[in-house]
Formats: sequence, C-alpha cells, structure tokens
Amino acid sequence: QQQVKQSPQSLIVQKGGISIINCAYENTAFDYFPWYQQFPGKGPALLIAIRPDVSEKKEGRFTISFNKSAKQFSLHIMDSQPGDSATYFCAASMYDYKLSFGAGTTVTVRA
Amino acid sequence: KAGVTQTPRYLIKTRGQQVTLSCSPISGHRSVSWYQQTPGQGLQFLFEYFSETQRNKGNFPGRFSGRQFSNSRSEMNVSTLELGDSALYLCASRPGGGDTGELFFGEGSRLTVL
Repeated sequence: QQQVKQSPQSLIVQKGGISIINCAYENTAFDYFPWYQQFPGKGPALLIAIRPDVSEKKEGRFTISFNKSAKQFSLHIMDSQPGDSATYFCAASMYDYKLSFGAGTTVTVRA
Repeated sequence: KAGVTQTPRYLIKTRGQQVTLSCSPISGHRSVSWYQQTPGQGLQFLFEYFSETQRNKGNFPGRFSGRQFSNSRSEMNVSTLELGDSALYLCASRPGGGDTGELFFGEGSRLTVL
C-alpha cells in the first residue's frame, strides 16, 4: 500500500516551460516532505524539502507548494532545461526515519 | 568529502544463492538505510541502522538482513535468492541522531537473479 501517491507518471515539456508534479499523502504524522532527483545509473539526490509549517519553499528554479489541509504537495520546475530531464520522486517521513516514496515521474525536457 | 560508496556495483546470481552487499557511508554519518528500487514497486525501505542497532525495518521477508559495524559501514544480505529480488539496492546515510533530514544515496548495487 503506497503511502504517497505521485502523478503524472511522465511528462514532456519544452525548454523554458514549467513542469508540475503532484503528490498526495494520507498519514498526517508525516512531518518531512523531500523531493529527490535521479539520473540514469545514479542514486537519488535531494533536490528540495519542506516541513508542514510552511506553505511554499523556493530554491532557484524549483518550488515546493504544500497544502496541509488537502494533504497534497507539488514540485514546480520553472524555466525547464534539458539538464532537468530525470526522474523525480516525492517522499514523506516522520519520527521513524524511513522515507515513503512516490512512484516517480519521468520528466523529459525538449530543446 | 567522499560520498556513499557501494560495492559491488553490478552482480549476477542464480536462484537459491545468497548475496552480500556493502556500503560505506559518508564520513561522520552514523545512520545507514537500505532501499530496494524496482520498476514495478519503486523505492521501498528495507531497514535502517544507527550505531550498530537496527532502528527500523520495512516489510520484507526474513531472507533480507543487514548489519552495521562499529565504523558505521553496513552490509546487507539476501539469502535464497528469488527472481523477484532482481533490483537496484541503494544505501543511504545521514548524520543520525534525531534528525529526519537529508539522506545521501550511493549509486547502488544492481543485482540480477537468473
């Protein structure tokens, strides 16, 4: 039973466009929501993370929006670049230290 | 600062055999977690070790086991391999203690079971 649901499974965006990935969770005990980026042949790397006491966090071209009442959070990639082509995973964790990952979204940025 | 190092990177085994995978965390990190990544099930938590003690365990059968040494290096073992155990096994480390912060992943060990 997947605790974090992620959509879409894949998306294609033009260079300079906006990529949006959505995630939803059920467990209200989750208190840490990271996004990971994974390139082929590599392990996931932390991109950006948020805690539920804030509704938005921005780091460069990457923004997390967090809606605690709806139990949803999303990743926006602004001005998408070909180098952003990767698989993105949302995740959630609580006091037990283990991450529950979404199924992943493969983003392809066309030049 | 060196990252998380996993060995071997690739290996092929046959059903019924066993395998041991190794992980060296980032220097100073005392927590090591293991995850299994497959196309069908995605990333799934196996277990986490902190100061040589298993702190948490995922929903995997007892064939999957692990341990952590006093230098924080960790190994995981899978016995009686099945075809479905073919996966990328990822090790991740973090400083440990009470944080739920960033996990630093290695590049993984890709296991193929024939």
